[in-house]
Amino acid sequence: AQTVTQSQPEMSVQEAETVTLSCTYDTSESDYYLFWYKQPPSRQMILVIRQEAYKQQNATENRFSVNFQKAAKSFSLKISDSQLGDAAMYFCAYNAGGTSYGKLTFGQGTILTVHP
Amino acid sequence: DADVTQTPRNRITKTGKRIMLECSQTKGHDRMYWYRQDPGLGLRLIYYSFDVKDINKGEISDGYSVSRQAQAKFSLSLESAIPNQTALYFCATSDKCRGPKLYGYTFGSGTRLTVV
Repeated sequence: AQTVTQSQPEMSVQEAETVTLSCTYDTSESDYYLFWYKQPPSRQMILVIRQEAYKQQNATENRFSVNFQKAAKSFSLKISDSQLGDAAMYFCAYNAGGTSYGKLTFGQGTILTVHP
Repeated sequence: DADVTQTPRNRITKTGKRIMLECSQTKGHDRMYWYRQDPGLGLRLIYYSFDVKDINKGEISDGYSVSRQAQAKFSLSLESAIPNQTALYFCATSDKCRGPKLYGYTFGSGTRLTVV
């Protein structure tokens, strides 16, 4: 079974600084997809960024980027120029192809605090 | 109106009571999911349905049942609630064709259930 591990229960960053959230996963699949979701205090789950495993280029969405290391099974999220609105719980998630297609496996989550 | 609506938003119930959490969607997605979120554990899959006649157990289905009344409605029942089922419950949807590989899930805003 696939597993996703977020080893940082909590992280903090100063406003305007950069922070990196870590995520590792375990899979024997070659075709899969990785996601980062943001959950603010409102509880809403918001898709931040996604990465297709077959793509070598790291995904980028404005201030959010990933460092995807396929061999190491690592998928970290970098938030640049952190803003107060970035404070939230962040979840890393994995989706395999094949028979598991459609089912997301989530990590434990990392609470990000942004200090003004 | 939200694309995925969960009711109730919050609920307190007593041990042994039967409770139903409801989810409806206007996305037109064929796939629907129920997850529970617990601190330190992330989101875990309870049940999922790829169409009205296709319902499957997730990793933690014991103590839960589901009903897919229509393509747009997917409800989760706790037949005899226990305190261990206190959690935040999420309904989510995805599209079969474009699916979570590209777009991730669309989540409801969650139901916070407390069993006393």
